[in-house]
Amino acid sequence: AQSVSQHNHHVILSEAASLELGCNYSYGGTVNLFWYVQYPGQHLQLLLKYFSGDPLVKGIKGFEAEFIKSKFSFNLRKPSVQWSDTAEYFCALANYGGSQGNLIFGKGTKLSVKP
Amino acid sequence: DSGVTQTPKHLITATGQRVTLRCSPRSGDLSVYWYQQSLDQGLQFLIQYYNGEERAKGNILERFSAQQFPDLHSELNLSSLELGDSALYFCASSHPGTSGSRTDTQYFGPGTRLTVL
Repeated sequence: AQSVSQHNHHVILSEAASLELGCNYSYGGTVNLFWYVQYPGQHLQLLLKYFSGDPLVKGIKGFEAEFIKSKFSFNLRKPSVQWSDTAEYFCALANYGGSQGNLIFGKGTKLSVKP
Repeated sequence: DSGVTQTPKHLITATGQRVTLRCSPRSGDLSVYWYQQSLDQGLQFLIQYYNGEERAKGNILERFSAQQFPDLHSELNLSSLELGDSALYFCASSHPGTSGSRTDTQYFGPGTRLTVL
C-alpha cells in the first residue's frame, strides 16, 4: 500500500535558520508529490508539487523540494525561515489506485519559528 | 482564499445525532474530495465524487455518506455520531487535467470543525 512518512513531528527554529523537512513515500511506480502548508486556524494551501521533469521543484514563499527517486524522498527546504512560516507542513502522494485521485498525507510536521 | 467554501465553520452536537456538512467547489471544478483531520489519525481521505458520481472511497464509516448534486456542490452526512467523530472535515476540489485526476491539484476549503459532546 502507498504511504507517506514524515519523521519530524515538531521542529523549532530561530528566524533566519535553514529548514529541511523530511518526507519519504512508499510506492514503486510513477509518483506525484505535493507539499501543503496549514497556517494556524486556516485551510491547507499548496506550497509546491512534483509531477515529472526537473526533480528540484520551486514553490511559493521561497520553498523548494527535491525529489530523489532512489531514496523515495521529497524533502522540503527553505534557506532562511521567518516567523510567519510557523505552521504545519504536510507531504502528500497522489493515490494511483484505479481511478482514484485522492491524496495520501503524512502525519505532518509542526514548524515553530522563534523571532 | 482557495475558492472552495464550506459551511458551517463550526458545529457542536451530541452523540447519536446526525449532521450535514456542505461544500461548494471552485468554479469549474468537477471533482470533490472529503477528508477528515483528527489528532490521532491525521488527514484521512473519506470519499471522492466526480461530476455527480461517486468515484472512490477511502476510510469512510458506514454511518457516513455523501453526495454531489447537479450544481456540483457536495454534502457529507454524518449520522449516529460518536465522540470519536469530533474532527476537522475538509473538502477539496479539482478540475481534471489532460493527464487525468491523479495529477490534478486539489484546492482545500476552510473546513468544518465538528465537536461531538
